[in-house]
Amino acid sequence: KQEVTQIPAALSVPEGENLVLNCSFTDSAIYNLQWFRQDPGKGLTSLLLIQSSQREQTSGRLNASLDKSSGRSTLYIAASQPGDSATYLCATNDYKLSFGAGTTVTVRA
Amino acid sequence: NAGVTQTPKFRVLKTGQSMTLLCAQDMNHEYMYWYRQDPGMGLRLIHYSVGEGTTAKGEVPDGYNVSRLKKQNFLLGLESAAPSQTSVYFCASSYSGLSSGGSTDTQYFGPGTRLTVL
Repeated sequence: KQEVTQIPAALSVPEGENLVLNCSFTDSAIYNLQWFRQDPGKGLTSLLLIQSSQREQTSGRLNASLDKSSGRSTLYIAASQPGDSATYLCATNDYKLSFGAGTTVTVRA
Repeated sequence: NAGVTQTPKFRVLKTGQSMTLLCAQDMNHEYMYWYRQDPGMGLRLIHYSVGEGTTAKGEVPDGYNVSRLKKQNFLLGLESAAPSQTSVYFCASSYSGLSSGGSTDTQYFGPGTRLTVL
């Protein structure tokens, strides 16, 4: 059974600092990995999807890397802003999506 | 496009009561999913559907039933609600996927239904 872990559970940084969010998984036989953003009381919004054949994916200030051999993915958010405050979840996709519990980020103005 | 919508947004039930949650998508997606989210546990797949008229069990299906009579709608039913079913329920859809319930492309999520069972 796939186990997805996100550490730390919460993170607080001053505005402008770069964010590094970690995701680890136990089974490397995945089709892809997705990063989602969840705002309080809201649904999930897909940020980036990395196919198993890719090493990274970029969108604006966001960059996600994938290392299947070590079972790790990292989401980088450059020059953080207060609007980046949210919970970030990663999910591996093998025969189903397996979610981590998320990292709640607070960016202080 | 409204995307994925869920009805209702909030609901309080007493133990033993029944209810149905409605999910609708206007993106012509084949695959639809129901998840529950509990604190500190991430999302877990309850049931899913790979097309109109089909449904399948996910990771935590006990106590729930589903139906997909129309391609755009996916209903989640609780026959006899229990306090353990207090959770936030999310519906999602995707254009393509796997017969086992996985998704080969982006899943789009609804805003969620917050259910409390007393």
